[in-house]
Amino acid sequence: NAGVTQTPKFRILKIGQSMTLQCTQDMNHNYMYWYRQDPGMGLKLIYYSVGAGITDKGEVPNGYNVSRSTTEDFPLRLELAAPSQTSVYFCASSPPTETGNTIYFGEGSWLTVV
Amino acid sequence: AQSVSQHNHHVILSEAASLELGCNYSYGGTVNLFWYVQYPGQHLQLLLKYFSGDPLVKGIKGFEAEFIKSKFSFNLRKPSVQWSDTAEYFCAVRGYNKLIFGAGTRLAVHP
Repeated sequence: NAGVTQTPKFRILKIGQSMTLQCTQDMNHNYMYWYRQDPGMGLKLIYYSVGAGITDKGEVPNGYNVSRSTTEDFPLRLELAAPSQTSVYFCASSPPTETGNTIYFGEGSWLTVV
Repeated sequence: AQSVSQHNHHVILSEAASLELGCNYSYGGTVNLFWYVQYPGQHLQLLLKYFSGDPLVKGIKGFEAEFIKSKFSFNLRKPSVQWSDTAEYFCAVRGYNKLIFGAGTRLAVHP
């Protein structure tokens, strides 16, 4: 099983550039999440989705956009990159919350904005 | 609003010492509770989880946690830590749909 796959693993962006972090899961999970992890700050929820066509803001959505056109894919878009978006980004997926199952994380994408 | 608070940001212990990491949450409804561990340079790994039933849950590597509903707490414990437990530990709470993490506790275990 591939699980949750994120690409790219590392990326350097210039201020003002745009890019998309890709996230794909092959477990047919309804729920998908994007987090960023900054040193000493834990993981902050950026956006999440409870199914194809449905997305919602998390704790820190500003500067990001998402879409969920299929169950498998949940890309995260940075339109105008800023140094404050330098972080490690994690995608995650899970079955519906009421099933009592756990959440699966990707291996992370390291993004530096210079 | 849903939130998670971890009391200790840094903990330093000697090997064989006992460990307890505090976690409190705020959420008005039914919650699922998790502890994750992140070793240096690696991604998150699930230590244990609570969904329902026995409030004392056992996880991997000798860790356990107790859910105390009246205190909105889910503290992580280990009777005797090892040097290999050096890592960052995250408490997480899932409410209606969102999974929210605490700021994490960095644990350093000295031989």
